[in-house]
Amino acid sequence: TQLLEQSPQFLSIQEGENLTVYCNSSSVFSSLQWYRQEPGEGPVLLVTVVTGGEVKKLKRLTFQFGDARKDSSLHITAAQPGDTGLYLCASPQGGSEKLVFGKGTKLTVNP
Amino acid sequence: EAGVTQFPSHSVIEKGQTVTLRCDPISGHDNLYWYRRVMGKEIKFLLHFVKESKQDESGMPNNRFLAERTGGTYSTLKVQPAELEDSGVYFCASSQVRSSGWPLSYNEQFFGPGTRLTVL
Repeated sequence: TQLLEQSPQFLSIQEGENLTVYCNSSSVFSSLQWYRQEPGEGPVLLVTVVTGGEVKKLKRLTFQFGDARKDSSLHITAAQPGDTGLYLCASPQGGSEKLVFGKGTKLTVNP
Repeated sequence: EAGVTQFPSHSVIEKGQTVTLRCDPISGHDNLYWYRRVMGKEIKFLLHFVKESKQDESGMPNNRFLAERTGGTYSTLKVQPAELEDSGVYFCASSQVRSSGWPLSYNEQFFGPGTRLTVL
C-alpha cells in the first residue's frame, strides 16, 4: 500500500502570512488529490493533479505536482481565518477507486 | 441537490454492543464507499459498492463488520460486537460511475459528514 507523508502535521500562522504544506510518497502517484476538511464535516475536494510538473491555482491556493509525480505541495498566499482546516492529500491506489490518504496538515490561521 | 448524508452523527456504545451506521449517497451515484479514521491515523478505505454489489471489501478489518446496500441506494455498516478499537469516525462517500475513457483520477468522490463512533 502506498504511503502518503504530509508535513507539517500542524501549522499555526497569522492572517496575511504565506504557507506551504507538502505531500510525499516513495512511490509514483497516478494522480494526487487535495482535500480540505472542516470540523464536523467530510473532506471536500479542492483539486486533482495528474501530470508531472503540473501547477493549478484556485484563488489564493496554488497546487504543484512534482516532475516525478512523487510529491506535491499546496501553497496559500495571504492566509485568512477561513482557510483554517485539515488539508489532506489522497491518491487512488493501484488502479482501483479506493483512495489512500495522508494524515493531513492541521492549519490554523489566527486573525 | 442534497449531498451525502450519514446517520447518526454520533454514537456512543459499550463494548460488545451492536451499532448500525447508515449512509445515503447522492442520488444517481452508483459508487458508494466506506472509509474510517481512527484517532491519530489517516483515513482508511473499508469497502466499495457499485450499486448493490461489493466491488472491493479489502479494507474491512474483520468479520465483525458487515456492510450492505440492498437495492443499490442507501448503505448500512453494522459492527457486531463492537470493540474498543472500532472507535473512530466513519465516512461514506459516493461517486458517479465513470464513463468509458474517463480517467480514474477524475472520478470525484463526495464525502458525507461522518459518524463519530465511540466504544466504551
